Amino acid sequence: SQTIHQWPATLVQPVGSPLSLECTVEGTSNPNLYWYRQAAGRGLQLLFYSVGIGQISSEVPQNLSASRPQDRQFILSSKKLLLSDSGFYLCAWSVGQGREKLFFGSGTQLSVL
Amino acid sequence: GENVEQHPSTLSVQEGDSAVIKCTYSDSASNYFPWYKQELGKGPQLIIDIRSNVGEKKDQRIAVTLNKTAKHFSLHITETQPEDSAVYFCAAPDQAGTALIFGKGTTLSVSS
Repeated sequence: SQTIHQWPATLVQPVGSPLSLECTVEGTSNPNLYWYRQAAGRGLQLLFYSVGIGQISSEVPQNLSASRPQDRQFILSSKKLLLSDSGFYLCAWSVGQGREKLFFGSGTQLSVL
Repeated sequence: GENVEQHPSTLSVQEGDSAVIKCTYSDSASNYFPWYKQELGKGPQLIIDIRSNVGEKKDQRIAVTLNKTAKHFSLHITETQPEDSAVYFCAAPDQAGTALIFGKGTTLSVSS
């Protein structure tokens, strides 16, 4: 069966520090991979998605970047965090017909202070 | 692009009552409509979905109805229980069909 791993679960970082969040998927090949952000009390905002190694689509201009160095690995990064980068970050994957059905990881709660 | 509106933002019901959450979408070409449940501190989990070739789908106490003409779909939870308390999200595919666009969520509270 497929599983998705996302870490760390919580992270507290000072303003201006770098960020690296990692997500890996097991039990499937060539998945679509996604990064969503959820601000406190708000909906899910799509940040990036990838349909293959090295292929990244950005949905929102921001202080963040994403990379997919391997088929089942997706990384979210920032060189210098801003206060507004605080939020709950979720990795997700999809496969199959239409690839619409998303399965989410357990999320990373990022607090930028 | 696709735009998904969800109402209400909060919903409080008594245990045993029914709960209904509604969503509208803008892209008439959309053909897949999932609902996700998110418990505190966790990632959203898919609870039910419907494709545009059917008008209703049911799974035990939850059901989803779709009105393609009016471009809206609804989640119905019957005989609510305290463990149904969570944030519920509806979604629809973006124009390219490669990602889901989510509504802003409904916080459902079921009191016993």
